[in-house]
Amino acid sequence: KNQVEQSPQSLIILEGKNCTLQCNYTVSPFSNLRWYKQDTGRGPVSLTIMTFSENTKSNRRYTATLDADTKQSSLHITASQLSDSASYICVVSPSQTTYKYIFGTGTRLKVLA
Amino acid sequence: NAGVMQNPRHLVRRRGQEARLRCSPMKGHSHVYWYRQLPEEGLKFMVYLQKENIIDESGMPKERFSAEFPKEGPSILRIQQVVRGDSAAYFCASSPLGSGDGYTFGSGTRLTVV
Repeated sequence: KNQVEQSPQSLIILEGKNCTLQCNYTVSPFSNLRWYKQDTGRGPVSLTIMTFSENTKSNRRYTATLDADTKQSSLHITASQLSDSASYICVVSPSQTTYKYIFGTGTRLKVLA
Repeated sequence: NAGVMQNPRHLVRRRGQEARLRCSPMKGHSHVYWYRQLPEEGLKFMVYLQKENIIDESGMPKERFSAEFPKEGPSILRIQQVVRGDSAAYFCASSPLGSGDGYTFGSGTRLTVV
């Protein structure tokens, strides 16, 4: 069964600190892997997208990595801000049905002043 | 250039009533996708539509749920005879291509069945 697992479930950090979120997936073969940010009460917003051949992708203070051999990805957030408080979701697109996104349950990040 | 518009944002229905959720895709997008997010779970694919066509409804419950995307007007997700288990956030996304690239999500409709 295609699955996307994320850890930790929740995380609390102080403003200015860095953090790394983890994603393990069993979707195979897959087309690409995305990280989304979802604020409470809002829809998911894309942060990064990587194909199976890419190892890393950065977007401002967000850096995603991908190891297709071990089927793992991570999202590193640098110099966290209060506005980073949200759920961060790992999403995988299967090769055969690229439109049918498979979502993880997310990591809830809380940044404290 | 407005994003994906969903309405209503919140919907309360009594058990047995019908719920109608609307989604207007981004301008220039002709592909619409519906996802459901149950409490404490990730989003789950329900259905993929193009104008006047259902492309993939493999994630739709077999009974009570239906979706359409008419030639004119928004896409509609319809839930008949709602039950408490239908309480969830329903998200719509649209894209310019059917490959799934360029997905943009709406803010969702939160359905509560009482």
